[in-house]
Amino acid sequence: IVLTQSPGTLSLSPGERATLSCRASQSVSSSYLAWYQQKPGQAPRLLIYGVSSRATGIPDRFSGSGSGTDFTLTISRLEPEDFAVYYCQQYTTSPWTFGQGTKVEI
Amino acid sequence: EVQLVESGGDLVQPGGSLKLSCAASGFTFSGSAVYWVRQASGKGLEWVGRIRSKANTYATAYAASVKGRFTLSRDDSKNTAYLQMSSLKTEDTAVYYCATRTGATEYWGQGALVTVSS
Repeated sequence: IVLTQSPGTLSLSPGERATLSCRASQSVSSSYLAWYQQKPGQAPRLLIYGVSSRATGIPDRFSGSGSGTDFTLTISRLEPEDFAVYYCQQYTTSPWTFGQGTKVEI
Repeated sequence: EVQLVESGGDLVQPGGSLKLSCAASGFTFSGSAVYWVRQASGKGLEWVGRIRSKANTYATAYAASVKGRFTLSRDDSKNTAYLQMSSLKTEDTAVYYCATRTGATEYWGQGALVTVSS
């Protein structure tokens, strides 16, 4: 399954809302879709799993939605620490795959 | 405290072999699947493969780009997972991460740098 993320780069200011898109080449069954955040020099951090469930310790300004082939990660109000690269991942079918990433920059 | 610590990263020539280790502590390793993800410098994340627990017959799966060259294994008595890499290519150069998930919590190692170059 190929995952295509858009936009490639999102330029926003702190306090603004961020909407990131992830489109799959075929249906992601059983809602096995996750979102990750990665900052330079760090391992990825799981934000959302199962399309809309927040991982442990993730603030509620992060939310996931969607079904089938179209998924969205929303950050309701950007905090300075949210500027990073975000990846979607499907784990419904092996091989699992990641999208190419969306950079959220100031 | 849950920890995953990778080791074994190195410089290796094209066509060579290398084995990475992922040592786990602080959780029930034997009941957890372990997966591997790599990231070339300045590039995105690439899923490499995963190995399931004994209860799931240690089933493995691999990305097409590494299938037939990389082998996943684990030693539950040592709380360690392994990634054996052979027939290495320059395009295998990357930081390799191991990770595991328990419910709503996922843990990652710090990464091991593998450089394939002559």
